[in-house]
Amino acid sequence: EAQVTQNPRYLITVTGKKLTVTCSQNMNHEYMSWYRQDPGLGLRQIYYSMNVEVTDKGDVPEGYKVSRKEKRNFPLILESPSPNQTSLYFCASSFFRGGEKLFFGSGTQLSVL
Amino acid sequence: DQQVKQNSPSLSVQEGRISILNCDYTNSMFDYFLWYKKYPAEGPTFLISISSIKDKNEDGRFTVFLNKSAKHLSLHIVPSQPGDSAVYFCAARSVTGNQFYFGTGTSLTVIP
Repeated sequence: EAQVTQNPRYLITVTGKKLTVTCSQNMNHEYMSWYRQDPGLGLRQIYYSMNVEVTDKGDVPEGYKVSRKEKRNFPLILESPSPNQTSLYFCASSFFRGGEKLFFGSGTQLSVL
Repeated sequence: DQQVKQNSPSLSVQEGRISILNCDYTNSMFDYFLWYKKYPAEGPTFLISISSIKDKNEDGRFTVFLNKSAKHLSLHIVPSQPGDSAVYFCAARSVTGNQFYFGTGTSLTVIP
């Protein structure tokens, strides 16, 4: 089954404790990206990757890191989480050529205390 | 600054009637406009898109209209069904193909 898999679904952590949210897709998509969803703000792009080893900042990259060492994986890293990073996070992927259709994961609800 | 705006947070419609969801954008450098549907505890799923060179696209009960001069697009659902009850996000893709901008969403409730 074609899918984007995020883990974990729920995460509660404390300020400053490094964490990683994993994202994997099995559709051989070149493009992958991360979004956060906050009330009244919709989905905002954090980082995106056009292909392996090619990443760039979206609209709200502060406090986040990403890496793209393999085509299928695109982890989101919070080196020192803060309470303002409490949010619902989504990973998405698509084919770059003709790929306006994004496939989303089920989301990760993160709470930073 | 929000480049894609959905000014109606919620909409209620009777089953069988038309649902019209609206979206405005401020930037002309978009090549595709898209609508996504989101159920609780799930990720958004693609619904329908329209190229910036077209003004209408249909897929079954769903039609998207694009008015470039007004920088406005709308999604029409006819007839509306209870299963259409969800949050609908409007989105736009930059012409470079690397960034997507989403609206804040409209929660549609279809009343049986």
